[in-house]
Amino acid sequence: NAGVTQTPKFQVLKTGQSMTLQCAQDMNHEYMSWYRQDPGMGLRLIHYSVGAGITDQGEVPNGYNVSRSTTEDFPLRLLSAAPSQTSVYFCASSYRGDGTEAFFGQGTRLTVV
Amino acid sequence: EDKVVQSPLSLVVHEGDTVTLNCSYEVTNFRSLLWYKQEKKAPTFLFMLTSSGIEKKSGRLSSILDKKELFSILNITATQTGDSAVYLCAVPVSTGFQKLVFGTGTRLLVSP
Repeated sequence: NAGVTQTPKFQVLKTGQSMTLQCAQDMNHEYMSWYRQDPGMGLRLIHYSVGAGITDQGEVPNGYNVSRSTTEDFPLRLLSAAPSQTSVYFCASSYRGDGTEAFFGQGTRLTVV
Repeated sequence: EDKVVQSPLSLVVHEGDTVTLNCSYEVTNFRSLLWYKQEKKAPTFLFMLTSSGIEKKSGRLSSILDKKELFSILNITATQTGDSAVYLCAVPVSTGFQKLVFGTGTRLLVSP
């Protein structure tokens, strides 16, 4: 019963490097999303997807790209890492678009130096 | 701008105490309010509230919504150390996909 799996759990990047945060779910959920969580800011939506091949921007999309080639996977790409992207990143999936029964991954703690 | 505000930011209580956490919101086209519990890592879903005055209950946790005054409370009775966590309030805002707008959370510490 894997649920939502995020990798890696921790990552340190140098400014300007690129990387991909992986997210996979095995519940056949249509809705997937990426949030970042910063102290004092709560969780903020970066990008979301309502199904394979369909993605859209959330509240804080700049500096990030996503794609959804399969129902299961929803990777988040940092194109050129900046210290402002130091954060904890959560991937979530749900079968409904209203946030109920949303399952979150365990998070990726990213530090950009 | 859609906004969700939680109070207090943090709270320390003794085991056995009852606590009340607050969440107020200002959103257009309100449909529901969600509560999550976040321990060390991933938030886990607690309640969804859509109707005013209807209490949702799960064990020692309960929550109620007041749509007139635009707020919700989460009550925890007979607190235990395992209740220590950050409690998050979120409101879906509709843009086709209902993205969640989160409050900053209330950090609860229950001491033995």
